Amino acid sequence: QVQLVQSGAEVKKPGASVKVSCKTSGYTFTGYYIHWVRQAPGQGLEWMGRVNPRTGGTDYAHRFQGRVTMTRDTSISTAYMELSSLKSDDTVVYYCVREAGGSGTYHFDYWGQGTLVTVSS
Amino acid sequence: QSALTQPPSASGSPGQSVTISCTGTSSDVGGYNYVSWYQQHPGKAPKLVIYEVSKRPSGVPDRFSGSKSGNTASLTVSGLLDEDEADYFCSSYAGGNSFVFGGGTKLTVL
Repeated sequence: QVQLVQSGAEVKKPGASVKVSCKTSGYTFTGYYIHWVRQAPGQGLEWMGRVNPRTGGTDYAHRFQGRVTMTRDTSISTAYMELSSLKSDDTVVYYCVREAGGSGTYHFDYWGQGTLVTVSS
Repeated sequence: QSALTQPPSASGSPGQSVTISCTGTSSDVGGYNYVSWYQQHPGKAPKLVIYEVSKRPSGVPDRFSGSKSGNTASLTVSGLLDEDEADYFCSSYAGGNSFVFGGGTKLTVL
């Protein structure tokens, strides 16, 4: 069965960087975009960007441009999201999410369990 | 992109129907038939319940239905059950390989 398993919770200081991993299984990793979505406690979802596991190509939301890097390692079917220059309002849960089907389906069928990143001095 | 607009809350009694709206612009909801809806129970990851405006994934009850008119999409949950109490989020493709989500609606089953 399809699974997306994320790395554990992190505590970082303001200005630091965090790298969250998303290990996938149960399907062909290179066949589906992986997106990263975040959610503040009790708040809505926010799309951050996506990586094409086959090519490594990325698309980022404007507000994260220059601060986020999404990569992948096809040898271990794992995607990564690194966010730099952390601020207190980056204290949220980060989800990796699979875009259903091939290119151009534009919805998300499997979600990781979420990774809480806490930014505190 | 700005977040899609959803009412913060909605409610209904068991067996009733409730509709949740999701308002965007002609650049997202109104411009593409790629609106999807997600159900999220407390402490859990979201789950897809509607995609491409009105399609249901396998395993989602037909009590869940979706529609769109202009820049507003809607999710209707019919025959409300206690288990439908959750947060619901809409999402839309917004062009230029970007996506946008709504702020979420807390559905309470009275």
